[in-house]
Amino acid sequence: DTEVTQTPKHLVMGMTNKKSLKCEQHMGHRAMYWYKQKAKKPPELMFVYSYEKLSINESVPSRFSPECPNSSLLNLHLHALQPEDSALYLCASSQDRTKGNYGYTFGSGTRLTVV
Amino acid sequence: AQSVSQHNHHVILSEAASLELGCNYSYGGTVNLFWYVQYPGQHLQLLLKYFSGDPLVKGIKGFEAEFIKSKFSFNLRKPSVQWSDTAEYFCAVIPLGSSGSARQLTFGSGTQLTVLP
Repeated sequence: DTEVTQTPKHLVMGMTNKKSLKCEQHMGHRAMYWYKQKAKKPPELMFVYSYEKLSINESVPSRFSPECPNSSLLNLHLHALQPEDSALYLCASSQDRTKGNYGYTFGSGTRLTVV
Repeated sequence: AQSVSQHNHHVILSEAASLELGCNYSYGGTVNLFWYVQYPGQHLQLLLKYFSGDPLVKGIKGFEAEFIKSKFSFNLRKPSVQWSDTAEYFCAVIPLGSSGSARQLTFGSGTQLTVLP
């Protein structure tokens, strides 16, 4: 299995809703990432988990809450989002970040619309 | 802070034309280099990557890239583009620390390629 699987593929939510995005990989990667991508822009890093521990939070608002229940799963819990949070949310994974010469594997993303 | 520059924001070519997209990075140490493609409405796909060895790297769909260390560049090329190559192209870099540990993947701002039939 060489994929990162994200669910759902599309999500429409109201500003008062609570929803979660899910990401799964079975490649034995020990680093997992959440990125946010707006149209025609590069992905922006949100969070990094290394060995199931949050290692980087790029000053993301608290309405986004990541969770890494185990080495294969990564969740992003959403609450009280704003319309400007509408974007493509990408999950990625990579091998141990303490070693060089590796790449990231990206999921197909969840296209989120906040209404 | 390190950065990745893609100077061409939008490139328009006719089918069969040759393509070269520029990518420069500012990090002075060892780097891993990547080109990703994103077709309209789709997710990122890896075109090619460079870790070490031969600086001319061949990727999928007939793309290649050349790493020129002295110029801090990793330009993407294709001898003859097709209409189906219309997409956004992102250059990306992972700098490696002195101990070999890796830092974050940093993307360039992207180049929109439009190929006219």
